[in-house]
Amino acid sequence: DADVTQTPRNRITKTGKRIMLECSQTKGHDRMYWYRQDPGLGLRLIYYSFDVKDINKGEISDGYSVSRQAQAKFSLSLESAIPNQTALYFCATRGTGATGELFFGEGSRLTVL
Amino acid sequence: GENVEQHPSTLSVQEGDSAVIKCTYSDSASNYFPWYKQELGKGPQLIIDIRSNVGEKKDQRIAVTLNKTAKHFSLHITETQPEDSAVYFCAASRDNDMRFGAGTRLTVKP
Repeated sequence: DADVTQTPRNRITKTGKRIMLECSQTKGHDRMYWYRQDPGLGLRLIYYSFDVKDINKGEISDGYSVSRQAQAKFSLSLESAIPNQTALYFCATRGTGATGELFFGEGSRLTVL
Repeated sequence: GENVEQHPSTLSVQEGDSAVIKCTYSDSASNYFPWYKQELGKGPQLIIDIRSNVGEKKDQRIAVTLNKTAKHFSLHITETQPEDSAVYFCAASRDNDMRFGAGTRLTVKP
């Protein structure tokens, strides 16, 4: 089983719908991240969390919200999806410390029509 | 905030040749520089990283060099193989702020 699991892997939705992407991890890491990947733009940080009570905005948080339900679970919500949120979304984890390896899930491809 | 530029965006080499990908960063306080490889349909995976107190690091066919004065770092892959074909991302990090380059699609032709 993957250490970082994202669901759903693919989702097609319509403008204005609420969408939740879920992430769970078995690595025991405190730090969890949500990134968005667009062609030609690399990976951009949406939100990150250092523990259940600590949530921080990243580079592109507008239009998104997150919830850290437990150490192992971190979900990303789009309250009212719009077409320019069509992208590949990645959850990642990292152990304690400001630097070190990020462990990514396999991605959730979201299409907003 | 940090800005990371990565070149080239695409790179095609013949099997056995070397490949070099270059990145520049803007924040002189950045102190950690990882490289990630992303295969089709997968999430990125760390292949090598370097910290600001080191100028070069090698791991078998992969090496990374860092020039702090010029604020650029490079990934070198020698004796390329078809399985090296993937998208490669550089990143620069300061504290908890990690910024990624736009990626390089490397194709190794057999």
